[in-house]
Amino acid sequence: AQKITQTQPGMFVQEKEAVTLDCTYDTSDPSYGLFWYKQPSSGEMIFLIYQGSYDQQNATEGRYSLNFQKARKSANLVISASQLGDSAMYFCAMREASGGLDSNYQLIWGAGTKLIIKP
Amino acid sequence: DSGVTQTPKHLITATGQRVTLRCSPRSGDLSVYWYQQSLDQGLQFLIQYYNGEERAKGNILERFSAQQFPDLHSELNLSSLELGDSALYFCASSTNPTWADTQYFGPGTRLTVL
Repeated sequence: AQKITQTQPGMFVQEKEAVTLDCTYDTSDPSYGLFWYKQPSSGEMIFLIYQGSYDQQNATEGRYSLNFQKARKSANLVISASQLGDSAMYFCAMREASGGLDSNYQLIWGAGTKLIIKP
Repeated sequence: DSGVTQTPKHLITATGQRVTLRCSPRSGDLSVYWYQQSLDQGLQFLIQYYNGEERAKGNILERFSAQQFPDLHSELNLSSLELGDSALYFCASSTNPTWADTQYFGPGTRLTVL
């Protein structure tokens, strides 16, 4: 079974609108971290935001926030007031504590969502 | 700027050749990870080093090898290159390899094998 599922292969959003990128995860481990990364067309992989499984509050970083619904195993990325520069691939990733030292807590990646912001 | 540097940015070579990709982690980070991203694909984890020692191996081919030096920079060696090795190769670094630790990525090296 897929551990990280991003159900939206692509999205078109009007500039200045808010956008929600979906991410669901599958784990039985109580300790895990969820990460979002952005990959623009130039290729670099940019860390956006992190949410730990024990964090009580939803993570926020500037225009990025994470809508963390633990019971639903959902960690959606919300971008407020989208800009043309937000056009990119967005990846959701997870690390589990049960990954352990042998696997060195490897990141498990989703397939990504391609976001295009329309002017 | 993540603080992770990778050289070269682009590399064009021929089949059968050998190349070396270099990575310098963020200041203070002991862990280095190597990833391969083929066209329109997700990231494939290759290998990880922590403070000079190999910690975990992913889908790394036998033709590929890596090491982390005492100054913590790392090199990924790719030999007997094939067309299918053309990809974006990322290095990432983190402080401690725990489940809560964030990996910061370098700008990548784009390898083209002709």
